[in-house]
Amino acid sequence: KAGVTQTPRYLIKTRGQQVTLSCSPISGHRSVSWYQQTPGQGLQFLFEYFSETQRNKGNFPGRFSGRQFSNSRSEMNVSTLELGDSALYLCASSVNRGHEQYFGPGTRLTVT
Amino acid sequence: GNSVTQMEGPVTLSEEAFLTINCTYTATGYPSLFWYVQYPGEGLQLLLKATKADDKGSNKGFEATYRKETTSFHLEKGSVQVSDSAVYFCALSEDNYGQNFVFGPGTRLSVLP
Repeated sequence: KAGVTQTPRYLIKTRGQQVTLSCSPISGHRSVSWYQQTPGQGLQFLFEYFSETQRNKGNFPGRFSGRQFSNSRSEMNVSTLELGDSALYLCASSVNRGHEQYFGPGTRLTVT
Repeated sequence: GNSVTQMEGPVTLSEEAFLTINCTYTATGYPSLFWYVQYPGEGLQLLLKATKADDKGSNKGFEATYRKETTSFHLEKGSVQVSDSAVYFCALSEDNYGQNFVFGPGTRLSVLP
């Protein structure tokens, strides 16, 4: 069974731009969560989607948004990029809410 | 709210040494507990889990026992290898749909030959 895939793997953007990251969960997994990982803040929860609805949201500004499609694939969008948004963005999927999460390799976003 | 605390790193050990990484948690209910590992340049991988008190999770020589009385889930390995060098995250999840996964800050382990 294929694992969680994230595209693109690497991305370079400039301040003020927007970016969209994509995540395809493991087949049959219905819950998708997004995390931001930085050296200073560690692993921080962004949001969780289940059945195309956002179920939980972390403490991030409204510039961070996401959505989930009917096939459970998810996208996250960051608008008006800031230098501090440079991070590894990890997507994780699970069979159902609260079950163990399986992580993708991440998208490394660099904002210049 | 729920939280996870891990011992401060980095932890540096010689090959074949005994490893303990402490993890304690605060939760309102009866969470499931997990250890994840992140190798350099990669995403997180599930290492082991335990879903109820006194359960022992084990994988690749690593073990952790769910101790409800001390709210702990310490990770241990009897003899570490250089290839175990990574960042280890303790995490919890409650199945009441009230809160998703909560991760600890991570502990970096370096094993020297």
